Amino acid sequence: GQNIDQPTEMTATEGAIVQINCTYQTSGFNGLFWYQQHAGEAPTFLSYNVLDGLEEKGRFSSFLSRSKGYSYLLLKELQMKDSASYLCASMDSNYQLIWGAGTKLIIKP
Amino acid sequence: DAGITQSPRHKVTETGTPVTLRCHQTENHRYMYWYRQDPGHGLRLIHYSYGVKDTDKGEVSDGYSVSRSKTEDFLLTLESATSSQTSVYFCAIKDGAGESYEQYFGPGTRLTVT
Repeated sequence: GQNIDQPTEMTATEGAIVQINCTYQTSGFNGLFWYQQHAGEAPTFLSYNVLDGLEEKGRFSSFLSRSKGYSYLLLKELQMKDSASYLCASMDSNYQLIWGAGTKLIIKP
Repeated sequence: DAGITQSPRHKVTETGTPVTLRCHQTENHRYMYWYRQDPGHGLRLIHYSYGVKDTDKGEVSDGYSVSRSKTEDFLLTLESATSSQTSVYFCAIKDGAGESYEQYFGPGTRLTVT
């Protein structure tokens, strides 16, 4: 079957680093997306990984291991504005996205 | 920002009434999607379109229909609204050309069925 798992909630401190994990089981896997969603707003695209390894975009990095069905989003130098939900989604053989329920990240001063 | 709007942004309706939500894009993207988002669930696909008059069902399509008569507009209709359809509805668009797989979302419509 198709399944995506990520933690429901995480807490971190301003200025620190946090890693949000995502595991997936997807038929005909075609890549892994991360989106950010602030409360009451639409999801916004952060990253797309299709090959194994780490991709860095400023303070945010995303990692993929296809053999392990595993991805993580790494956020460095946390800022209060990073408080949001982070959605993991895998793309299947039909190029449709299967979404996790999201990880709510709480940043404390 | 992708040029994508949704209307209305908020709606309260009664059980049994029909409701139509509109998604409008100015990007000329081929693919359009309707999702619903509920607490404790990931985004769930209702219907999607891969071109004018070309639509297909997603995982939670029962009770919903769609139409796409123009590239820029994708309508979602709740034929007879039920309380279980109270949700936030997001429209998304995707170019799909080349390696462009990311979806861009509209601001959402919060629908309450009483």
